Amino acid sequence: EPEVTQTPSHQVTQMGQEVILRCVPISNHLYFYWYRQILGQKVEFLVSFYNNEISEKSEIFDDQFSVERPDGSNFTLKIRSTKLEDSAMYFCASNSVGTGELFFGEGSRLTVL
Amino acid sequence: KQEVTQIPAALSVPEGENLVLNCSFTDSAIYNLQWFRQDPGKGLTSLLLIQSSQREQTSGRLNASLDKSSGRSTLYIAASQPGDSATYLCALHSGNTPLVFGKGTRLSVIA
Repeated sequence: EPEVTQTPSHQVTQMGQEVILRCVPISNHLYFYWYRQILGQKVEFLVSFYNNEISEKSEIFDDQFSVERPDGSNFTLKIRSTKLEDSAMYFCASNSVGTGELFFGEGSRLTVL
Repeated sequence: KQEVTQIPAALSVPEGENLVLNCSFTDSAIYNLQWFRQDPGKGLTSLLLIQSSQREQTSGRLNASLDKSSGRSTLYIAASQPGDSATYLCALHSGNTPLVFGKGTRLSVIA
């Protein structure tokens, strides 16, 4: 069964370092998303991406964040200069219709020291 | 702004019991509602999707209902098993907003 895959599963980084989280969405999906979940809190929307551009972003998604679809399969989230409060589980998701069933990856746990 | 609330926050039941998890939302103008399962430290597994025009969806021992007028959805789990232990998340699309999540109900099924 097709699935969303994410790498790395866990990354530890020093504050101020750049981090890139990678995702391979389900192959025939057109809409891509990043969400995050700080430990013990709700899953929060970061950004949605469609037709090679950002379609929506939350107030969390500030200038330190960027997304890219560098080729036909990968979808990346970059954090330019990590802060302690960026420590969270980051989930990639995709669907074929923007308001359709959303499929999530296993997540990338980011720990900022 | 859509708010999603899930009650109770945690629930512990003996194996074999039928149970109901609740989800309420403030804006009834929704496109669909999705229930997810999350195991500790893991990703989100989609369980059921209910479109706004539907009243319920069933998958195996799971049944989800939707009552837009009262802003409520329930997830019914029949004959619970220890393997059902997980956090169950309710999330919905409304307007043109991305999926909004509740905080979840942490379920423990005791053998």
